[in-house]
Amino acid sequence: DVKVTQSSRYLVKRTGEKVFLECVQDMDHENMFWYRQDPGLGLRLIYFSYDVKMKEKGDIPEGYSVSREKKERFSLILESASTNQTSMYLCASSLKIQPQHFGDGTRLSIL
Amino acid sequence: AQSVTQPDIHITVSEGASLELRCNYSYGATPYLFWYVQSPGQGLQLLLKYFSGDTLVQGIKGFEAEFKRSQSSFNLRKPSVHWSDAAEYFCAVLHTGNQFYFGTGTSLTVIP
Repeated sequence: DVKVTQSSRYLVKRTGEKVFLECVQDMDHENMFWYRQDPGLGLRLIYFSYDVKMKEKGDIPEGYSVSREKKERFSLILESASTNQTSMYLCASSLKIQPQHFGDGTRLSIL
Repeated sequence: AQSVTQPDIHITVSEGASLELRCNYSYGATPYLFWYVQSPGQGLQLLLKYFSGDTLVQGIKGFEAEFKRSQSSFNLRKPSVHWSDAAEYFCAVLHTGNQFYFGTGTSLTVIP
C-alpha cells in the first residue's frame, strides 16, 4: 500500500518565521503535490512536481516555495509565515494519470 | 476551464437510508473522475475511480458512482448508510496534464 508521510500532524509557528513542511512517499511516484484546505474552499493546489528538481506553480503559489531534491521527498516552504497561511496542508503523490494518494495532513497555525 | 461542482455543501441522512452525493464537471475531453472521502483530521482516501468502460463503477465501503456524459455528472451512491460514513466527500477530475481539480466537498452527517 502507498504510504505518504507528512512530518508533522500539528505545527505552531510565529509570523515571519521560515516554515518547512516535509512529505515523503514510498512508492516511487513521479508526481507530488501540495494543497491547502480551508473550510468552504476545498483543496487548492499550491505547487506540484513531475520529477526531481522540477516544480510547477499551482493556483495559489504566492508566499510559498518548494524543493524536490530526491524523488521521494517534496518540501513546502513558507518563506515568511503570515497569519493567513494558517490552514490544513495536504501532500499527495501519484503515478502519471493515476489517482493521488494523500498524507494525513499538517494543521499549521501561525500566531 | 476545468471545474468540478458539488452543489450540496452539507447533507444529513438517517442511518440505513440511501445516499446520493452529486458531482458535476466541466471538461472538454473524456474525463478521469474520482471520489475521495476524508474523515475528521485525516487525509483523503480514494473511494472509486472512472477512467473508461462501464459507466457504473464500484468502490470500497459499499459505494458506487455512475458516469453520465450527457449530464456531465458523476454522482456517488450508497444503498444503506452506516454511522461510520459520516465524513467529507470530494469529487475530482484529472486533467491530462496530471493536475487534479477538486470540488469544494460535501459534508455528510448520519443520524441514528
